[in-house]
Amino acid sequence: QKEVEQNSGPLSVPEGAIASLNCTYSDRVSQSFFWYRQYSGKSPELIMSIYSNGDKEDGRFTAQLNKASQYVSLLIRDSQPSDSATYLCAVNLYSGNTGKLIFGQGTTLQVKP
Amino acid sequence: DAGVIQSPRHEVTEMGQEVTLRCKPISGHNSLFWYRQTMMRGLELLIYFNNNVPIDDSGMPEDRFSAKMPNASFSTLKIQPSEPRDSAVYFCASTPGQGQPQYFGPGTRLTVL
Repeated sequence: QKEVEQNSGPLSVPEGAIASLNCTYSDRVSQSFFWYRQYSGKSPELIMSIYSNGDKEDGRFTAQLNKASQYVSLLIRDSQPSDSATYLCAVNLYSGNTGKLIFGQGTTLQVKP
Repeated sequence: DAGVIQSPRHEVTEMGQEVTLRCKPISGHNSLFWYRQTMMRGLELLIYFNNNVPIDDSGMPEDRFSAKMPNASFSTLKIQPSEPRDSAVYFCASTPGQGQPQYFGPGTRLTVL
């Protein structure tokens, strides 16, 4: 079992719809969770951080964390064609003070006009 | 504030040549990571440093790869000799510490002919 798993997609949604991206992780002691967006030919860009159970909202983005079920999700409301990208889930495994993250393989999102 | 800086942005070289990639992390960040990304293998962690000390180089594919961090503001990744299968985008990332997100540089696109 991979430490961090995502559905590679592509996930296709119409413009204006809600896009739901999911990620599961294997390490129960993980404490920090991040979502990155990566446009084709660009570097990963941090869009959301979440550290405690529940929802965290930032504009059109909502991150949801459920530590008991070991999953974290990202909701994108009112999806726009400019949201078309690959979304990477990253989890911090407790390994001392090093900041190492484990990344999922990414989910490709396509928002169709 | 300046983000992570990488150079060169593009490198085209011939098989057998030495390649040196450079990275300047964000000031004050104490951990630095080198990644390689390809379509086939996704984002792979090669090596990371904490307070300039290499912590884990298990991701370095072969002895042809080496990395150094002589001080807190500079790191290099060297490939000698380079091979066509080393063609990829190489990212450098830094983080303030445990539990914090990583911030990526723009990457170096390496092509080995």
